[in-house]
Amino acid sequence: NAGVTQTPKFQVLKTGQSMTLQCAQDMNHEYMSWYRQDPGMGLRLIHYSVGAGITDQGEVPNGYNVSRSTTEDFPLRLLSAAPSQTSVYFCASRLTGRSGETQYFGPGTRLLVL
Amino acid sequence: GEDVEQSLFLSVREGDSSVINCTYTDSSSTYLYWYKQEPGAGLQLLTYIFSNMDMKQDQRLTVLLNKKDKHLSLRIADTQTGDSAIYFCAESKAAGNKLTFGGGTRVLVKP
Repeated sequence: NAGVTQTPKFQVLKTGQSMTLQCAQDMNHEYMSWYRQDPGMGLRLIHYSVGAGITDQGEVPNGYNVSRSTTEDFPLRLLSAAPSQTSVYFCASRLTGRSGETQYFGPGTRLLVL
Repeated sequence: GEDVEQSLFLSVREGDSSVINCTYTDSSSTYLYWYKQEPGAGLQLLTYIFSNMDMKQDQRLTVLLNKKDKHLSLRIADTQTGDSAIYFCAESKAAGNKLTFGGGTRVLVKP
């Protein structure tokens, strides 16, 4: 298993540009989520999905869209980038089973909006 | 609203025990988690505890939960230099759903 992969690792955008952060997992996890991490703060939930075709908003959803057309992929779209969206973005997946809970986080995408 | 608080920094000597503390406000929290983040990396789930437990031990890690005081702690026995990292606690009402994170405690292990 490759775990949770994220692309790109780094990105610089100008204000107003749009882009998509990619996230994929090959573990057949139903639950996936996107977080942003700002300096000195914990992670804040942007959007999450409990399965293909189902998405919902987290704590800080404004300015972001998501879709979940397959179990494997959960892309995050920035519609019109703003400097306030400069952050590190983490994608995560989760599986809860008889043996307990398993969570995996991707390595992160570092985004700078000028 | 939900709030999770952690101290910012902890310094410990190699071989000693580390204790990282966390407090939370939501009495309906059901799952409580500890994560480790090394520089430039994502979060690694270390361990978690259900709210109906008061202790969980996993090798060098011991989690203590005081539900009455809404206080969670992570004890790392025989702390090693590889344990230097930022540690986050988090809570949720259901397994892994809508995690609320603390701000993280930076642990520095001195030789």
